[in-house]
Amino acid sequence: DTAVSQTPKYLVTQMGNDKSIKCEQNLGHDTMYWYKQDSKKFLKIMFSYNNKELIINETVPNRFSPKSPDKAHLNLHINSLELGDSAVYFCASSQWSSGYTFGSGTRLTVV
Amino acid sequence: QKEVEQNSGPLSVPEGAIASLNCTYSDRGSQSFFWYRQYSGKSPELIMFIYSNGDKEDGRFTAQLNKASQYVSLLIRDSQPSDSATYLCAVGGARSGGGADGLTFGKGTHLIIQP
Repeated sequence: DTAVSQTPKYLVTQMGNDKSIKCEQNLGHDTMYWYKQDSKKFLKIMFSYNNKELIINETVPNRFSPKSPDKAHLNLHINSLELGDSAVYFCASSQWSSGYTFGSGTRLTVV
Repeated sequence: QKEVEQNSGPLSVPEGAIASLNCTYSDRGSQSFFWYRQYSGKSPELIMFIYSNGDKEDGRFTAQLNKASQYVSLLIRDSQPSDSATYLCAVGGARSGGGADGLTFGKGTHLIIQP
């Protein structure tokens, strides 16, 4: 069983479209995150959810909206996609003092 | 603005030697420190974490922390070609230990182990 699974693995879409990336964890962790890794491999936090409450919302455009139906799921919805949104998006989960477990990533390409 | 600095490399080390990776951080309130390894096209995987000053050893890996100097390092003994990857240093805030505050990552050091 994959601990943190995200889908899809690859996503190619046109500018202006709306898309969603799904993430699920079966580790029983309390906190889930979305990270963006740009073309220079810099990994930057976008959001975190702790028990369905948004804890961090870094300075990301409001076109990005996290949605968490329950503790095990954190989805990322992106409206009006732009070229600059092309990146790899990683979902992760953590429990106190345990570090993060990352999903396998979603490579988003906006054309 | 919390910052984590790493030399991007590439750092080239002969097989069997010790690879030394370094990281500095800006936030004195940081309490948790992590090293992740990322192979090309893959997700980061946790190698080690350290919370207290000093050394922590796990197999061929040793993490070293000096909070006064705001410095973290990772030593890899008996380096193998399979250790070739990008190593990411990550730092957490006072109330997280890796929890809700999130981690700030450095840009990573690309390590190449030469056979």
